[in-house]
Amino acid sequence: SSELTQDPAVSVALGQTVRITCQGHSLRIYYASWYQQKPGQAPVLVMYGKNNRPSGIPDRFSGSNSGNTASLTITGAQAEDEADYYCNSRDSNGDHHYVFGTGTKVTVL
Amino acid sequence: EVQLEQSGAEVKEPGESLKISCKGSGYSFSTHWIAWVRQMPGKGLEYMGIIYPGDSDTRNSPSLQGQVTISADKSTSTAYLQWSSLKASDTAMYYCARIYSGSQADAFDIWGRGTLVTVSS
Repeated sequence: SSELTQDPAVSVALGQTVRITCQGHSLRIYYASWYQQKPGQAPVLVMYGKNNRPSGIPDRFSGSNSGNTASLTITGAQAEDEADYYCNSRDSNGDHHYVFGTGTKVTVL
Repeated sequence: EVQLEQSGAEVKEPGESLKISCKGSGYSFSTHWIAWVRQMPGKGLEYMGIIYPGDSDTRNSPSLQGQVTISADKSTSTAYLQWSSLKASDTAMYYCARIYSGSQADAFDIWGRGTLVTVSS
């Protein structure tokens, strides 16, 4: 199956901008979706497709794609954005499967 | 309100069987794929497989092939994840999620709160 690689951890100062990246072959074919998971909670969809935010997700979250890399950017990070973030896409191996990224821990300083 | 309600936490011994559930409401359960996702303690999200409740078309992740059974009952809007013989390594939080299939991308748009399965002797 495909693999999606993320940096294990990033930190950002309160109010500054942070970009989380996700790399994998499947991203050359399929758009990524992004999930925020806070401790003890279920994941929440925060971005999908070219740059689509579900209802209720703040507009400081944005997405972009280039080649085999998808990115989630938080512009003006808030304390409540501290969480684990996972990317996901369809598996590029032909079957109807999905794959999650390795996850990025975002710390807001 | 669109939601997925998962069954409660389970504590089992190795070798026992188990079936956990995920009940959908507030939308047409039969026409959206449901995914199961595992999260082992302190680890990331792991895709397990999907099912289309309308016709029970099921796709198990190759890495977990044969270890679990995914099923659904569209008459009760419920999906299931089943083990015939649990192992200690099955200890994890298990989430179900609805898959939204759009023109641009698929996304796991609605998640259950998770079912914690603990396997210990």
